[in-house]
Amino acid sequence: EPEVTQTPSHQVTQMGQEVILRCVPISNHLYFYWYRQILGQKVEFLVSFYNNEISEKSEIFDDQFSVERPDGSNFTLKIRSTKLEDSAMYFCASSVRQLAAFFGQGTRLTVV
Amino acid sequence: DAKTTQPPSMDCAEGRAANLPCNHSTISGNEYVYWYRQIHSQGPQYIIHGLKNNETNEMASLIITEDRKSSTLILPHATLRDTAVYYCIASLYNTDKLIFGTGTRLQVFP
Repeated sequence: EPEVTQTPSHQVTQMGQEVILRCVPISNHLYFYWYRQILGQKVEFLVSFYNNEISEKSEIFDDQFSVERPDGSNFTLKIRSTKLEDSAMYFCASSVRQLAAFFGQGTRLTVV
Repeated sequence: DAKTTQPPSMDCAEGRAANLPCNHSTISGNEYVYWYRQIHSQGPQYIIHGLKNNETNEMASLIITEDRKSSTLILPHATLRDTAVYYCIASLYNTDKLIFGTGTRLQVFP
């Protein structure tokens, strides 16, 4: 069964460093998303991406964040200068149509 | 997006049907009801969605009341692997984001 793949599964980084989280969406999907979940809290929407551009983003997704689909298969989330409060599980998702999204297993980001 | 209300937790015996309720009394005519679940800290898993008709797939059934103010997700024969947090989300079909609440924590016991 096709699945969304995320790497790495766990990333530890120092505060102020840049991180790139990587995702390989399901191959025929057209919509791509990033969500995050701080430990013990709700799953929060960050950004959606369609037709090579951001279609919607939340207030969390500020100038420190960016997304890219560099080669037609990968979908990346970059955090330019990480803060302690960026520590969370980051989930990538993709869908053929909006909202029936398939999620990856997540990358646990720990900022120290 | 319409607000949804779910009980914080429920128990179900293995092999029995799990009926998870969701209240969405302010849902608008073009908002769908989506159900996802999250097993432990894994990524949310899509289960099913519907607009006004009842829906069934290999995972579950979704029963939506005629006035669309509430719905029930039915897992017909719950297993231990169905222990998870279940999220009911009401959202327009053409919006890009899912707004997750706190969901219902379903515990299936032997």
